[in-house]
Amino acid sequence: QQQVKQSPQSLIVQKGGISIINCAYENTAFDYFPWYQQFPGKGPALLIAIRPDVSEKKEGRFTISFNKSAKQFSLHIMDSQPGDSATYFCAVSGGYNKLIFGAGTRLAVHP
Amino acid sequence: EPEVTQTPSHQVTQMGQEVILRCVPISNHLYFYWYRQILGQKVEFLVSFYNNEISEKSEIFDDQFSVERPDGSNFTLKIRSTKLEDSAMYFCASRRQPGELFFGEGSRLTVL
Repeated sequence: QQQVKQSPQSLIVQKGGISIINCAYENTAFDYFPWYQQFPGKGPALLIAIRPDVSEKKEGRFTISFNKSAKQFSLHIMDSQPGDSATYFCAVSGGYNKLIFGAGTRLAVHP
Repeated sequence: EPEVTQTPSHQVTQMGQEVILRCVPISNHLYFYWYRQILGQKVEFLVSFYNNEISEKSEIFDDQFSVERPDGSNFTLKIRSTKLEDSAMYFCASRRQPGELFFGEGSRLTVL
């Protein structure tokens, strides 16, 4: 049972372009929707997160768009840079429960 | 900035041996987790721990696994008899309240 579906599996973007990664979830009880960034050999690090009371959150070049009715949320990376090349995981959680991760998206930003 | 620390960073062991992975969560955090990531794959939940007991565990967390908080700072994951398929990165994480989960850098376990 896949509680969160993430796409695409991999993404290649030119420097300066927009990277878009999507996630869909099933359980309406989830109330916390983070995106984690992971570099090779490192642990996941929180990038940005949103709660269902807002439809969008922006932090610098990173934006989460949240569609509660469609049970979908997405990460937009504006002006993508080679240093953004990493694996990105969406996740969902409810209360103090565990984070459930998506399968990950490997992003490569080419100069 | 406080962080979750894990040791060892890499451990190589023979199949059937016991392994203990150690974690020091952030000091005022109350909820502790172990996750596993097989190379190139997703981050998988193993177990959560609160108030000195397991609050939830996944089907991966079978009788070969155990967790312990032996003192006020350490949080350990023990694998009693390692199998080849236990080879993975193991991440410890902690949180104080609902929301952000802070991850350590991970312990790479290689079972030969």
